Amino acid sequence: NAGVTQTPKFQVLKTGQSMTLQCAQDMNHEYMSWYRQDPGMGLRLIHYSVGAGITDQGEVPNGYNVSRSTTEDFPLRLLSAAPSQTSVYFCASSSGFGELFFGEGSRLTVL
Amino acid sequence: KNQVEQSPQSLIILEGKNCTLQCNYTVSPFSNLRWYKQDTGRGPVSLTIMTFSENTKSNGRYTATLDADTKQSSLHITASQLSDSASYICVVSETTSGTYKYIFGTGTRLKVLA
Repeated sequence: NAGVTQTPKFQVLKTGQSMTLQCAQDMNHEYMSWYRQDPGMGLRLIHYSVGAGITDQGEVPNGYNVSRSTTEDFPLRLLSAAPSQTSVYFCASSSGFGELFFGEGSRLTVL
Repeated sequence: KNQVEQSPQSLIILEGKNCTLQCNYTVSPFSNLRWYKQDTGRGPVSLTIMTFSENTKSNGRYTATLDADTKQSSLHITASQLSDSASYICVVSETTSGTYKYIFGTGTRLKVLA
């Protein structure tokens, strides 16, 4: 079982560049979410979706965009990368209020 | 404000020893509480889930307790192993009008030494 797949695992960007972090799940989960994890701050919610066509902002949405055109995919777009967006990004999915299944993370460095 | 606080922030123990991690929450209305283990460089993985009516739940050498009255949970690790070195994250689910909301603690970083 693939579970939650994130790509790329590592990425280096220059300030001002844009990019998309991909997230796909094969468990037919309706809930998908993106988090960033910074040292000493725990996981913080960026955006989430409760189904195809439905997205909402989390705790730290500024500078990020999402869309949910299918149940399986939930890409995260960085519109104009800034050094403050250097972080490790995790995608997670769940069914109902069940267990969150996380991807392996995407480590992003913005120079 | 809904919050989840964990203590200690970090902990170092010798292999074979026991330890207890704490989680206090102010989340309401409460749905359930999960403990996740996050190995370095990996995504978190669920260890246990506690619902309102459950006091204790075990998963091998991991035992979670929940006191819904005092809004406290603990994760007890018995006979620690080197592979227990990881961050342990407490996550409380809140339910309001059917919406999904997970409240994360900042985690306890555990180091087990040989």
